[in-house]
Amino acid sequence: DAGVIQSPRHEVTEMGQEVTLRCKPISGHNSLFWYRQTMMRGLELLIYFNNNVPIDDSGMPEDRFSAKMPNASFSTLKIQPSEPRDSAVYFCASSLATGHSNQPQHFGDGTRLSIL
Amino acid sequence: GNSVTQMEGPVTLSEEAFLTINCTYTATGYPSLFWYVQYPGEGLQLLLKATKADDKGSNKGFEATYRKETTSFHLEKGSVQVSDSAVYFCALSGEIFGTGTRLKVLA
Repeated sequence: DAGVIQSPRHEVTEMGQEVTLRCKPISGHNSLFWYRQTMMRGLELLIYFNNNVPIDDSGMPEDRFSAKMPNASFSTLKIQPSEPRDSAVYFCASSLATGHSNQPQHFGDGTRLSIL
Repeated sequence: GNSVTQMEGPVTLSEEAFLTINCTYTATGYPSLFWYVQYPGEGLQLLLKATKADDKGSNKGFEATYRKETTSFHLEKGSVQVSDSAVYFCALSGEIFGTGTRLKVLA
């Protein structure tokens, strides 16, 4: 079975540019999570969706970040404009149930983002 | 609110040594507990889980027991291998993650 698929795997761009990260969750999963991982701050939950609806976006750092889930098989995380401090590995994960549940999450391999 | 605390790393061990990575939690109710492992360049993978008090999760030689009386879920392995070198995350209820503990095993 295909796992969570993220694209691109690596992205290098100049500050000020728009960045779009993509995620395809596991088929049948109804919750989707976006995380950011850095050495300094560890793993941070940015936003999660349940049944394509954003439930908690309190982790989104600022208005430059936005996330959408137009259907059950696709989500995007957009940064506009990007800044060097946004450089990190961004993970998407999906699971069978809502947050605060007893179901494990399945992670993609991440997008390594470098903003110059 | 719910939270997870795990020991600071890095942890450096020789091959075949015994491993313990401590994890304690604060929670209301009876959440499930998880350990995930992250190998270099990859996402987190579920290693094991326990859904209720006194449950023991196990996988690949790793074990952890859900201890309600001490609110702990320590990860153990009797004999580590170089291939176990990774970052290990304790998690509560599916999406509350600890800060991760890096393990380095030397040959």
